[in-house]
Amino acid sequence: DAGITQSPRYKITETGRQVTLMCHQTWSHSYMFWYRQDLGHGLRLIYYSAAADITDKGEVPDGYVVSRSKTENFPLTLESATRSQTSVYFCASSVGGGVSNQPQHFGDGTRLSIL
Amino acid sequence: RKEVEQDPGPFNVPEGATVAFNCTYSNSASQSFFWYRQDCRKEPKLLMSVYSSGNEDGRFTAQLNRASQYISLLIRDSKLSDSATYLCVVTFHPMEYGNKLVFGAGTILRVKS
Repeated sequence: DAGITQSPRYKITETGRQVTLMCHQTWSHSYMFWYRQDLGHGLRLIYYSAAADITDKGEVPDGYVVSRSKTENFPLTLESATRSQTSVYFCASSVGGGVSNQPQHFGDGTRLSIL
Repeated sequence: RKEVEQDPGPFNVPEGATVAFNCTYSNSASQSFFWYRQDCRKEPKLLMSVYSSGNEDGRFTAQLNRASQYISLLIRDSKLSDSATYLCVVTFHPMEYGNKLVFGAGTILRVKS
């Protein structure tokens, strides 16, 4: 069944390590997004991508890197993990931008703990 | 001031009750509006879009007031299965903000028998 999948579902790592969270969608959606969700903050946008090879910063991009060499994949890398990056990470995709209502569809999330 | 604000709750209501949530947004350039539902430790899922004229989907009614910059969600005849966190979501003009969604922190609803 088509959809959006994230991996891994759970990850524990140590401070200073590099870690990559994967996101794959089969809808051929143009837009993809990475959010983090922390208590009291709701979801905050880290990075987004409007198409392959086009990425841009969101609200909280520091310490993260993204790439989008293919439309269906949008990996998120923590270059040197810190404890403050312990969070639940959600990937999402949508058909496109424009002025029409374009809801986003979310993956199951990755629960990341930095020790 | 947060861009999107919601009363965190929790709202504790009995089955069959009617409950309403409000959400305010600060940016008058806001373009589109949604309510998402999030169950504990799960991904957010679209509940309904919110249209200028208001819209209804079964027991759920959404309203938008652009002049006062708030949206609302009304749930009638609450069910136990309605227990969840309800997220108010606002988008800004795509040309400037890349179709960015801004999420409220959510309102917790607990429906009890």
